[in-house]
Amino acid sequence: QQQVKQSPQSLIVQKGGISIINCAYENTAFDYFPWYQQFPGKGPALLIAIRPDVSEKKEGRFTISFNKSAKQFSLHIMDSQPGDSATYFCAASSEGNTPLVFGKGTRLSVIA
Amino acid sequence: GAVVSQHPSWVICKSGTSVKIECRSLDFQATTMFWYRQFPKQSLMLMATSNEGSKATYEQGVEKDKFLINHASLTLSTLTVTSAHPEDSSFYICSASPGLSSYEQYFGPGTRLTVT
Repeated sequence: QQQVKQSPQSLIVQKGGISIINCAYENTAFDYFPWYQQFPGKGPALLIAIRPDVSEKKEGRFTISFNKSAKQFSLHIMDSQPGDSATYFCAASSEGNTPLVFGKGTRLSVIA
Repeated sequence: GAVVSQHPSWVICKSGTSVKIECRSLDFQATTMFWYRQFPKQSLMLMATSNEGSKATYEQGVEKDKFLINHASLTLSTLTVTSAHPEDSSFYICSASPGLSSYEQYFGPGTRLTVT
């Protein structure tokens, strides 16, 4: 049973556009929701994360929107650049020092 | 801060041999480290949770006698793939949390294992 559902599987965005990736979770015990960026042949890098006590968190061009009642969260990449082309994973966990549950990933391609 | 390293970054070995992969937290202590496996164009699959000073906890379906995990210190965990076979070829990634109750997990750069 997949506990974190991520969509879309792949995404093509024009340079300067907004990239939006969505995730939905089932386990109401989850209280930490990070996003990771992974380039081919590299390990995932923590991009931004949110706790359920806030509905939105912004860091530079990256914003997480969180909807606790709908059990959904999303990543928005503003002014998308070709260098943002990578695979993005959402994840969730229910307490510190426990394994993350990952979505299946979204392959983002930003074209000029 | 919060840097995790892995060694080697890639390794090729012959079928039947064993390979050891090291995961180190460079600027923090990690009582818990996690080992993942990733196939091409797929998500990360948790293999085991490695706890310093105690036995690792393996996920269902992961052979603990084949994938030996040792968490020798607060900064080092090792994964040994014993009697490797071509189907063990994969990308192995570790992660660590900088604190007992920390939520953040930082990943190493991964190790590409190819078994011929």
